Amino acid sequence: AAGVIQSPRHLIKEKRETATLKCYPIPRHDTVYWYQQGPGQDPQFLISFYEKMQSDKGSIPDRFSAQQFSDYHSELNMSSLELGDSALYFCASSSGLAADTQYFGPGTRLTVL
Amino acid sequence: AQTVTQSQPEMSVQEAETVTLSCTYDTSESDYYLFWYKQPPSRQMILVIRQEAYKQQNATENRFSVNFQKAAKSFSLKISDSQLGDAAMYFCAYRALYNNNDMRFGAGTRLTVKP
Repeated sequence: AAGVIQSPRHLIKEKRETATLKCYPIPRHDTVYWYQQGPGQDPQFLISFYEKMQSDKGSIPDRFSAQQFSDYHSELNMSSLELGDSALYFCASSSGLAADTQYFGPGTRLTVL
Repeated sequence: AQTVTQSQPEMSVQEAETVTLSCTYDTSESDYYLFWYKQPPSRQMILVIRQEAYKQQNATENRFSVNFQKAAKSFSLKISDSQLGDAAMYFCAYRALYNNNDMRFGAGTRLTVKP
């Protein structure tokens, strides 16, 4: 079965640079969630989208923005990167906001030097 | 706000034996979902089992089962016949049914399986 696809899988950036992470949900899933997992931490919710509209917002810094496109894929844009942004970024998808289960992608490991 | 607590940072089990991982949560909601996710060294988040709060029957998936105590807000995971491949970080997670559609995770329990 098709799963959530995230690209790139690994990304290395310098401080103050910009990064764009992409997420392709499971086919026919219309809801996307972004999570950030720091080293030794549990995943923290950043932001979610339903039918191309932002549905909920968590602890996402103002330097980050995200959107969901007409084909339901989503991009997380991160500017003015800081060392503390180094983390594993997960995307998850579900079929609707009320769906019980979110299916996680493999994650993008971002390293900021 | 909903919080999820996993009080066991690390657990160890002998291969083929049974281990139980603990999880408690705090919520004022009456309808919600609870999950156990497994994160092996590959860091992939893999759904192990889920439980709907309105169901009294404990969920079971092969060797994995839960003990859901709604009144006590407890949701433990039992792994029977432990296998080497079960070694991973296990996260307990909560998700409200109607409000705030994000997942709230516990801090995780690292499970080691000894051969």
